[in-house]
Amino acid sequence: QSVLTQPPSVSAAPGQKVTISCSGSSSNIGNNYVSWYQQLPGTAPKLLIYDNNKRPSGIPDRFSGSKSGTSATLGITGLQTGDEADYYCGTWDSSLSAGAVFGGGTKLTVL
Amino acid sequence: QVQLQESGPGLVKPSQTLSLTCTVSGGSISSGDYYWTWIRQPPGKGLEWIGYIYYSASTYYNPSLKSRVIISVDTSKIQFSLKLSSVTAADTAVYYCARGYYESSGYYAKYYFDSWGQGTLVTVSS
Repeated sequence: QSVLTQPPSVSAAPGQKVTISCSGSSSNIGNNYVSWYQQLPGTAPKLLIYDNNKRPSGIPDRFSGSKSGTSATLGITGLQTGDEADYYCGTWDSSLSAGAVFGGGTKLTVL
Repeated sequence: QVQLQESGPGLVKPSQTLSLTCTVSGGSISSGDYYWTWIRQPPGKGLEWIGYIYYSASTYYNPSLKSRVIISVDTSKIQFSLKLSSVTAADTAVYYCARGYYESSGYYAKYYFDSWGQGTLVTVSS
């Protein structure tokens, strides 16, 4: 059971937009910054978003992040077949069992 | 462009100690800007953070693994290592090393991983 909750799967057609939610609590998302990772099949995760809404160099602006209260959202516009991957949110949890935590991952299917 | 590469045995027997090394190239472990991190992913499952080490050798571990984990650093060799003792089948996973950026104040914390190794599968089996 992951500390952060993500939908197991989402799907959309090429060219469309999709959002992936990540729900937490005041000890993690509510007071700390969120990052998002893309994991293509058989590869290591790759940083997509950090500090809630910033993109590393080389990440296209089709990818966006936002945070409100104890939830965060990853948005992807202009979907491409190459975007089919697992997506993970992550943050720091400041509770008594402090440490980095991740969501369970969301499988994106581009129909 | 920093690159990380994991190395170590792919098969470990139950109750023994899993040992992995991460070699860093294209960057300095001693820069002080980053926290060198281990993360694992059981087959077909999500990511689990194991812990980090700073170049000064200060460490912080996942509370659920703390009693079995040691992360060490060798700045001269540009490597950091993971030891996980008393392994069971539940420790079978792809193990990733990653470069982490960590910052905290009394009000917030940020911790994200901007470079990852390719990962290495470790199977625990007799």
